[in-house]
Amino acid sequence: DARVTQTPRHKVTEMGQEVTMRCQPILGHNTVFWYRQTMMQGLELLAYFRNRAPLDDSGMPKDRFSAEMPDATLATLKIQPSEPRDSAVYFCASGLVWTGMNTEAFFGQGTRLTVV
Amino acid sequence: TQLLEQSPQFLSIQEGENLTVYCNSSSVFSSLQWYRQEPGEGPVLLVTVVTGGEVKKLKRLTFQFGDARKDSSLHITAAQPGDTGLYLCAGTTSYDKVIFGPGTSLSVIP
Repeated sequence: DARVTQTPRHKVTEMGQEVTMRCQPILGHNTVFWYRQTMMQGLELLAYFRNRAPLDDSGMPKDRFSAEMPDATLATLKIQPSEPRDSAVYFCASGLVWTGMNTEAFFGQGTRLTVV
Repeated sequence: TQLLEQSPQFLSIQEGENLTVYCNSSSVFSSLQWYRQEPGEGPVLLVTVVTGGEVKKLKRLTFQFGDARKDSSLHITAAQPGDTGLYLCAGTTSYDKVIFGPGTSLSVIP
């Protein structure tokens, strides 16, 4: 059963600490998305990759957030330093996209981040 | 900036009732998807609509894409408690970016 795997599922950290969230996309998918979900803002697109290359990271606070895909089986989202306002659920999603075709995103279960 | 709006924001109905939720935008999307999200889980894709005017049915759920590909609706017939969840519409932009609306939180009371 193919699925997107995210780790950790929950993370509580102190303000100022570095946080790294990991995502294993579905094998064969060429696109990876990072979203952040809060009650106030809903699902916000932070960044996305195509064939491991970053296409758009305009949704991320550049000074503290970074997203990478070191290989096709791993995507990471890092926050350094973390702040209480970063508390949210972070979702990774993957999809198989061909130019001109639809983009359907398959989501992981999310990482619930609490920064105290 | 392409934005999606959804209405209503919250909906609480009795089991057996029918309902419609809406997704609107001022922008044209190449395709639009509907997802359902349950507490503690990620959104799960229900359907994708591509062609203006397209109607798709999934058991008791009927999805429609507007002729101009700027809006969509989801109609549920005879709602059941298992339909409870957050319904999200998402649009694919011209750059294959998937953006989401704020969602409609549905509660079906037995």
